Amino acid sequence: ETGVTQSPTHLIKTRGQQVTLRCSSQSGHNTVSWYQQALGQGPQFIFQYYREEENGRGNFPPRFSGLQFPNYSSELNVNALELDDSALYLCASSSPKGGTYEQYFGPGTRLTVT
Amino acid sequence: AQSVAQPEDQVNVAEGNPLTVKCTYSVSGNPYLFWYVQYPNRGLQFLLKYITGDNLVKGSYGFEAEFNKSQTSFHLKKPSALVSDSALYFCAVRDAAGGATNKLIFGTGTLLAVQP
Repeated sequence: ETGVTQSPTHLIKTRGQQVTLRCSSQSGHNTVSWYQQALGQGPQFIFQYYREEENGRGNFPPRFSGLQFPNYSSELNVNALELDDSALYLCASSSPKGGTYEQYFGPGTRLTVT
Repeated sequence: AQSVAQPEDQVNVAEGNPLTVKCTYSVSGNPYLFWYVQYPNRGLQFLLKYITGDNLVKGSYGFEAEFNKSQTSFHLKKPSALVSDSALYFCAVRDAAGGATNKLIFGTGTLLAVQP
């Protein structure tokens, strides 16, 4: 069974730029969620994708957007980067079928905005 | 609104002693509760969950958690701590108001330090 993978591991961008982060879900999982973890904080829910559609969103502005592909992999796009976007971005996959609900996380992408 | 509180920023315990990491929750309806562990510069690893059933839940690496509905708590426990257990621990609850969305609400985390 392949776990959740994310790329890149680290990224440095300049304020105002755009960034794309990628995630491959765990085998058999059809739901992908993205979280932002600022330094010293717990993860905050950004949004979730199920069957290629966004089906839930946290308190993040529209410049945070995403995609899910037919193979259930996903992208997180952030436009007009701000200094406060510096964080660890975590992708998690799950398969709510069967009512288990636990999410399995990737290693994260560390984004630094300068 | 759903929320989770971890009242201790850090817990210190000697190797071999029992450990407890505290978590309290506030949800509408039945809670779905989770514990995750995060090692430095790593993602979160799932430890255990409570959905329904026995109040004592057993998970990975010898950890267990006790669900207490009257005290709205879900404390993480281990009978004998290891130095390798030193990490950041997060309690989380599924947002029941989210409908089909499998959104987790996390606490602020508790740093567990196990001294040799």
